[in-house]
Amino acid sequence: EAGVAQSPRYKIIEKRQSVAFWCNPISGHATLYWYQQILGQGPKLLIQFQNNGVVDDSQLPKDRFSAERLKGVDSTLKIQPAKLEDSAVYLCASSLVDRGKTQYFGPGTRLLVL
Amino acid sequence: DAKTTQPNSMESNEEEPVHLPCNHSTISGTDYIHWYRQLPSQGPEYVIHGLTSNVNNRMASLAIAEDRKSSTLILHRATLRDAAVYYCTTKKSSGDKLTFGTGTRLAVRP
Repeated sequence: EAGVAQSPRYKIIEKRQSVAFWCNPISGHATLYWYQQILGQGPKLLIQFQNNGVVDDSQLPKDRFSAERLKGVDSTLKIQPAKLEDSAVYLCASSLVDRGKTQYFGPGTRLLVL
Repeated sequence: DAKTTQPNSMESNEEEPVHLPCNHSTISGTDYIHWYRQLPSQGPEYVIHGLTSNVNNRMASLAIAEDRKSSTLILHRATLRDAAVYYCTTKKSSGDKLTFGTGTRLAVRP
């Protein structure tokens, strides 16, 4: 079974530029999550989708971050404009809608904002 | 969400058991305890979860205190590939949200 795919794996941009990350979850997984992981910290949930609807975006900085999950499969996370403090690893995870709800994580996209 | 507290780092010798502690004193009665680990340059990986009873799987065992205010992840024979950051989290039975702390960085000595 293929895992969660993310691209790109690395991205370097200058502040005030825009950037987009892509995620393809495990086939059949209705729930998709985007996390931000700053160096030395645990992952922090930014947004959770179930199918193509948003379940929780309470920690998403909506003035600069946006995310969509068209057709309930792939998802993109965008930052516009980027700030220095956005330097982090952006992780995508997916899960089945079941009682265990184990989350399966992708390898992440490492973003450096200069 | 219940706050979890873990030691910043631990060391173990290869092929010896490792006990990774976690305190979650504010856990509610229906919150699950989940453990994930993160190997270098990878996303977190599910290890094990439980509610009240001790749990075993092929990766590890989870021992949950009777009052559920703490738990211990047990790796029965540590290998070099077990070197990772281990995260203890709690999750409500009615939701999906995992709240990660800073975790325990486990070093395994050959």
